[in-house]
Amino acid sequence: AQRVTQPEKLLSVFKGAPVELKCNYSYSGSPELFWYVQYSRQRLQLLLRHISRESIKGFTADLNKGETSFHLKKPFAQEEDSAMYYCAPPGGSEKLVFGKGTKLTVNP
Amino acid sequence: DTEVTQTPKHLVMGMTNKKSLKCEQHMGHRAMYWYKQKAKKPPELMFVYSYEKLSINESVPSRFSPECPNSSLLNLHLHALQPEDSALYLCASSPLAGDYNEQFFGPGTRLTVL
Repeated sequence: AQRVTQPEKLLSVFKGAPVELKCNYSYSGSPELFWYVQYSRQRLQLLLRHISRESIKGFTADLNKGETSFHLKKPFAQEEDSAMYYCAPPGGSEKLVFGKGTKLTVNP
Repeated sequence: DTEVTQTPKHLVMGMTNKKSLKCEQHMGHRAMYWYKQKAKKPPELMFVYSYEKLSINESVPSRFSPECPNSSLLNLHLHALQPEDSALYLCASSPLAGDYNEQFFGPGTRLTVL
């Protein structure tokens, strides 16, 4: 079964500092990976996905097959980036399996 | 309409009650999902419907009974729940069931079982 590890439960940075949220996966095939975000009192929503290679809200994520990682990065964090972030690989033909999540706090 | 809606927002029920959660989407999506999310935990998949047919049941207790009356509507019928079933219940939809489809989530129903 596909597995994903988000090693940091909590991550705190100051506004304007770079931020990296880690995600490591185990997947034998060619993976499609997603980052979902849940802002306070808002619904869970897709932030970005590997296959589209887009940059959303200044975030990027590069798939590193050698390190089996899909870390989420932003060069200059903003206070509004404070949220819960979930890395999610597919868990089978019709499933997503969410990582345990990293709570990001951006301090002023 | 590009959102998934869920009703009610909050629900308090006793262990002997029967209640239902409702989820609706009008994006023409053919896959719909129920998730359970406990506080400070990731969502856990409960059920997947694909083309109005149940395709995945993640070994959910029978006190949770899903129903998909049509392609826009998904219900979750609740009966004889336990206090540990208290959680946020999320509904989601995607264009098709499959690995590479973005899932669109509703705001959730916060369920409290007394």
